[in-house]
Amino acid sequence: QQQVKQSPQSLIVQKGGISIINCAYENTAFDYFPWYQQFPGKGPALLIAIRPDVSEKKEGRFTISFNKSAKQFSLHIMDSQPGDSATYFCAASSGNTGKLIFGQGTTLQVKP
Amino acid sequence: NAGVTQTPKFQVLKTGQSMTLQCAQDMNHEYMSWYRQDPGMGLRLIHYSVGAGITDQGEVPNGYNVSRSTTEDFPLRLLSAAPSQTSVYFCASSYSIAWANGYTFGSGTRLTVV
Repeated sequence: QQQVKQSPQSLIVQKGGISIINCAYENTAFDYFPWYQQFPGKGPALLIAIRPDVSEKKEGRFTISFNKSAKQFSLHIMDSQPGDSATYFCAASSGNTGKLIFGQGTTLQVKP
Repeated sequence: NAGVTQTPKFQVLKTGQSMTLQCAQDMNHEYMSWYRQDPGMGLRLIHYSVGAGITDQGEVPNGYNVSRSTTEDFPLRLLSAAPSQTSVYFCASSYSIAWANGYTFGSGTRLTVV
């Protein structure tokens, strides 16, 4: 079964708008939640990450919100730009096991 | 500093053939993983390693073998290729899962099995 569920599968946002991507997980042992960004033809790259001891982390226009009780976390992209058009993946891991599980991905298109 | 190098970039196999996807990193990373990427399925973990001589299965290990004889190399072997293994394969490496820069991914190998 999918351990990390991501939605929506695709998202279209106008330039300047807010993009929101959601993820949910089942395994309460997960303690590290990164988001990766992937451009066409490239491998994913780390965008931002959070641990469950904080409810929010912000880096520039990108913010992770984390709800431990609901086992959900989300990525908010403020003032979305056409250059943000890419596929975004949430992921989760537990301890230092070396095992990083990804969600299904969200394709974001930001229209000029 | 080459990062994570995957070869080949493209490959077409016939059903039943075997092959090895190569992955090498020059960053002295302990953690390495193999993922496959399919539309609508995201990145699914095939096998991973936390150091030389140590490997473990991920979410979709069937039909694939790995070994980690050195820190630098982590080859993925397809034992008997099937059309269901048509995918884009990514190798990734890191000092640890939660390291500041996360996993560094290679540029991928696009495999087609006919």
